[in-house]
Amino acid sequence: GAGVSQSPSNKVTEKGKDVELRCDPISGHTALYWYRQSLGQGLEFLIYFQGNSAPDKSGLPSDRFSAERTGGSVSTLTIQRTQQEDSAVYLCASSLAKGNYNEQFFGPGTRLTVL
Amino acid sequence: AQSVTQPDIHITVSEGASLELRCNYSYGATPYLFWYVQSPGQGLQLLLKYFSGDTLVQGIKGFEAEFKRSQSSFNLRKPSVHWSDAAEYFCAVLAAHGGGGADGLTFGKGTHLIIQP
Repeated sequence: GAGVSQSPSNKVTEKGKDVELRCDPISGHTALYWYRQSLGQGLEFLIYFQGNSAPDKSGLPSDRFSAERTGGSVSTLTIQRTQQEDSAVYLCASSLAKGNYNEQFFGPGTRLTVL
Repeated sequence: AQSVTQPDIHITVSEGASLELRCNYSYGATPYLFWYVQSPGQGLQLLLKYFSGDTLVQGIKGFEAEFKRSQSSFNLRKPSVHWSDAAEYFCAVLAAHGGGGADGLTFGKGTHLIIQP
């Protein structure tokens, strides 16, 4: 079946602009995660959704970052007033449910470049 | 807070030789441990995981890992590497983030595996 999909695959933007990154989880997966992968910081957990519940925002690096999940499925990560340090690959993952026994399946990522 | 250390940034191995990638974790409770592989332009793929029970776990592509609580380690091994194993390997621990108990993975910095012909 289809895996986690993300769009766009690449995004180049100018400093100060807003960007939206999209994630389509595997059908039937209720848990959804966003991570960021950058050269300096490695892989970092950003935010987590379980179904329609309010997200855990504890990993978001600043208040310029926000995320929503509509209908318990598709998620959008929004970065406002982008900065050069936001340049990274943003990875989305989904799992069947919250819980330690559920494998997280990762999408191919969106490479964001802020000029 | 939990952390994962992969002490080797790069490792070069000859094709057909054995491989061991090191991973040390720091976590106050029983850890749930994972190894992921990332090939160029590809997403992260789970190789294997440890939750409980037998401390030697088998994964895909001929990989295995051994959990050693006394050493806080979860090293990845393969008896004979293939050129297609060249990739970035990440060790991760699953633990609660913040106060809500979210299950985000904490990753090590990764080990870049180079295969020599």
